[in-house]
Amino acid sequence: DAKTTQPPSMDCAEGRAANLPCNHSTISGNEYVYWYRQIHSQGPQYIIHGLKNNETNEMASLIITEDRKSSTLILPHATLRDTAVYYCIVRVAGAGGFKTIFGAGTRLFVKA
Amino acid sequence: NAGVTQTPKFRVLKTGQSMTLLCAQDMNHEYMYWYRQDPGMGLRLIHYSVGEGTTAKGEVPDGYNVSRLKKQNFLLGLESAAPSQTSVYFCASSSVGQGTGNREQYFGPGTRLTVT
Repeated sequence: DAKTTQPPSMDCAEGRAANLPCNHSTISGNEYVYWYRQIHSQGPQYIIHGLKNNETNEMASLIITEDRKSSTLILPHATLRDTAVYYCIVRVAGAGGFKTIFGAGTRLFVKA
Repeated sequence: NAGVTQTPKFRVLKTGQSMTLLCAQDMNHEYMYWYRQDPGMGLRLIHYSVGEGTTAKGEVPDGYNVSRLKKQNFLLGLESAAPSQTSVYFCASSSVGQGTGNREQYFGPGTRLTVT
């Protein structure tokens, strides 16, 4: 099963872009990369996902390397409310059922 | 739409007691999931369901049972609670199984369970 590796924490100044990296070197061809975030103790919130191409929505951009072994989530103008734990997830369909592999995530601190 | 709701929000149990956590979704999603989250850790999948009347084991199913009698509800049961089951439990739903990779999961607010 593909696993992800993320830095445990990062800081970002308010108004600047936050670039959160994720390594998934064992990802297979049909596995998607998803990003979620968890603010304080709330339930995780979906941000964005992608397979091969870069993706952008109203919340963020996702840059996936050509070999798909790593990706970067970009929050273009971070605000204090973006302080959260960000999870990079690779969807797998394991033998006998579905699995979701959550790493420890990156704790992003946005500072004024 | 209320989205995904969970009942109760908090609960304290004594070792050996039983309880049921209720998850309800009003988005007509086929798939539902139960996760647990321990302090400082990511979420781990306990059980999931791909449709009414079906359930399957996730990563950490031991000590839990589930039922999906109605499409909109997914119940998580603890028959004999243990201190190791102290955790925050999250329910989620999605319109397509996560294995297809093209639909996001919607999470509930969580249930904080303490077993003493």
